[in-house]
Amino acid sequence: EVQLVDSGGGLVQPGGSLRLSCAASGFSFGSYWMSWVRQAPGKGLEWVANIQQDGSRKHYVDSVKGRFSLSRDNAKNSVYLQMNNLTAADTAVYYCVRDGRYSSTWFDFWGPGTQVTVSS
Amino acid sequence: DTEMTQSPSTLSASVGDRVTITCRASQSIGLYLNWYQHQPGKAPRLLIHRASTLESGVPSRFSGSGSGTDFTLTISSLQPEDYAIYYCQRCDVYPYTFGQGTKVEMK
Repeated sequence: EVQLVDSGGGLVQPGGSLRLSCAASGFSFGSYWMSWVRQAPGKGLEWVANIQQDGSRKHYVDSVKGRFSLSRDNAKNSVYLQMNNLTAADTAVYYCVRDGRYSSTWFDFWGPGTQVTVSS
Repeated sequence: DTEMTQSPSTLSASVGDRVTITCRASQSIGLYLNWYQHQPGKAPRLLIHRASTLESGVPSRFSGSGSGTDFTLTISSLQPEDYAIYYCQRCDVYPYTFGQGTKVEMK
């Protein structure tokens, strides 16, 4: 059974940092792109970033470029989202999602989400 | 960036109704269009990928069609568990934009 467990969210002050983690199981983790998607309060879904199987290619939505950084450890079946210089606009539920196998395509499995709140 | 516009924003329907949701891209995206269902307190669920391919385990009352700029998600006979928010999403080039969502509510 495919499982994604995202964690690491919490309350942080503006300008602060958080590192989200996603532990995967039940599939060949190293064979898949992985993405993060967020949902701000009262808003729709927003794709944030993704990372290729070997970590060599990463893509980010413009609003987080230069502040967020994705990495993965295939030996630990985990992907990480380092978030720096956080602002109130980054307040959201963050979902770890399984992306495509041969290319980035669709998001077929989602973690339960972890809440990030940026507030003083 | 390619904008994704869904209509309507809210749809009121009864159990058994046929429901149609439209998603329009501001430029052609071929078949690179996915549909998701999101219920409150749950993680989103993939329903349709590549415009018309039903995801494994998704009931056959869901169907997708379209190509280029105009796409449709249809629920042939609405069931109680289908009340949710539905999102389209492009996946041709970055950023992978979602539509603003269509809320299907009880009439």
